[in-house]
Amino acid sequence: DTGVSQDPRHKITKRGQNVTFRCDPISEHNRLYWYRQTLGQGPEFLTYFQNEAQLEKSRLLSDRFSAERPKGSFSTLEIQRTEQGDSAMYLCASSLDSAASGGYTFGSGTRLTVV
Amino acid sequence: GQQLNQSPQSMFIQEGEDVSMNCTSSSIFNTWLWYKQDPGEGPVLLIALYKAGELTSNGRLTAQFGITRKDSFLNISASIPSDVGIYFCAGGDRDDKIIFGKGTRLHILP
Repeated sequence: DTGVSQDPRHKITKRGQNVTFRCDPISEHNRLYWYRQTLGQGPEFLTYFQNEAQLEKSRLLSDRFSAERPKGSFSTLEIQRTEQGDSAMYLCASSLDSAASGGYTFGSGTRLTVV
Repeated sequence: GQQLNQSPQSMFIQEGEDVSMNCTSSSIFNTWLWYKQDPGEGPVLLIALYKAGELTSNGRLTAQFGITRKDSFLNISASIPSDVGIYFCAGGDRDDKIIFGKGTRLHILP
């Protein structure tokens, strides 16, 4: 078990381009979460999966954002037509069952800079 | 929506001092969690609290789940340089999402 892995660690993209991030959760964890964190703020919930089912999406997740977890293992977060306001740290976390079982384990995040 | 208010926003202390920070909410949470985040990294879980009134320690860290389920505090005793970072409180809601506060930034003066 190597923890939660996120790739890439950093991404610089031009406005209008599409980007995709990957998250590999801890292998036995069936829940996977995406959060966004901007400078000086705490992580903000975006969406989460239980196995392959996407159970909830935040209003922060505009229609330019899409997340998938096709086989209930790794997940991808895609942002289409990126805007400068999308610049943030995108954090992935996983847990076994629920938060009540011991909180989430976070990855190191993908820092996106839109120029 | 649910919000967590953390205080103080930042702290400047001398090495060896004790630290206290807290978190309040207008909503009830089923779980309270405290995380620490170092620059460029994801948050790391320090302490998880599951019952109202629960007091839990992890080394020099002590945290309590408030009786009303709307607040929590974290104490750090005898601070050391590696305690520098951002501390987040987080509440687990009934939908099982975790909502984070804005963090307390701890600085240790040389």
